[in-house]
Amino acid sequence: DVKVTQSSRYLVKRTGEKVFLECVQDMDHENMFWYRQDPGLGLRLIYFSYDVKMKEKGDIPEGYSVSREKKERFSLILESASTNQTSMYLCASSPRRSPYEQYFGPGTRLTVT
Amino acid sequence: AQKVTQAQTEISVVEKEDVTLDCVYETRDTTYYLFWYKQPPSGELVFLIRRNSFDEQNEISGRYSWNFQKSTSSFNFTITASQVVDSAVYFCALGLWGTSYGKLTFGQGTILTVHP
Repeated sequence: DVKVTQSSRYLVKRTGEKVFLECVQDMDHENMFWYRQDPGLGLRLIYFSYDVKMKEKGDIPEGYSVSREKKERFSLILESASTNQTSMYLCASSPRRSPYEQYFGPGTRLTVT
Repeated sequence: AQKVTQAQTEISVVEKEDVTLDCVYETRDTTYYLFWYKQPPSGELVFLIRRNSFDEQNEISGRYSWNFQKSTSSFNFTITASQVVDSAVYFCALGLWGTSYGKLTFGQGTILTVHP
C-alpha cells in the first residue's frame, strides 16, 4: 500500500518560531511537492523537488524554504512563522516516469498564534 | 500562466439527486492534462480521473461521468444518484504536457454535501 506520511496532523506554533513540517514517502518517488490549502483558494504549490538536494519554487514560495537530503523525505521550513501562514499543508509525491500520478499525505493543519 | 476556476463554492443536495460540478480552465498551451480529485474529511486527496487535451471523449465510471469540451475550456464532473459518501471537497486541476515535474494548477474547490 503506497504511503505518504506527514509528521503531524495538527500543529500550533507562536509567531516568530521556526517550524519544520516533515513528509516521508515509501514509494521511491523522485518528485515531491508541498502545497498549501486555503478556503476559496484551493491548493497552491509552494515548492517541489525532482531529486535529492534539488528544488524548485512553486507559485507561493515567499516565507518558506525546503530541504531534501534523502529521497524519501521532504521538509518544509517556516523560518519565522507568521499568522498568515496558518493553513493546511499537504505533501505529495510522484514518480519521474509519471509525474502527475501524485499521492497525497493526510495534511498538517498549522495554526500560528 | 494557467488558471482553473470552479465557480461553485458549495453545493448541497439530497441523496439520489444528480449533481454537476463545473470546471473552467485557461492555458495558452495546446496540449495539457486535466484532473479531478476528491478530498474526503480524512484530508488525503484521492485521484479520480485524468484526461488528455487531445482526447475529448466523455468518460463514465460507475456513477461518475466527465464532460470535456475543449471549445469552451470546460471539464465538468457529474455524480449520478448521489450518496452521502460523496460528501467531500472536489478539486479540478490542470497540468502541462511535457513537463517531468508534474506541476499542477488547482481550482478553488467545490464543497459537496449530500444529505440523507
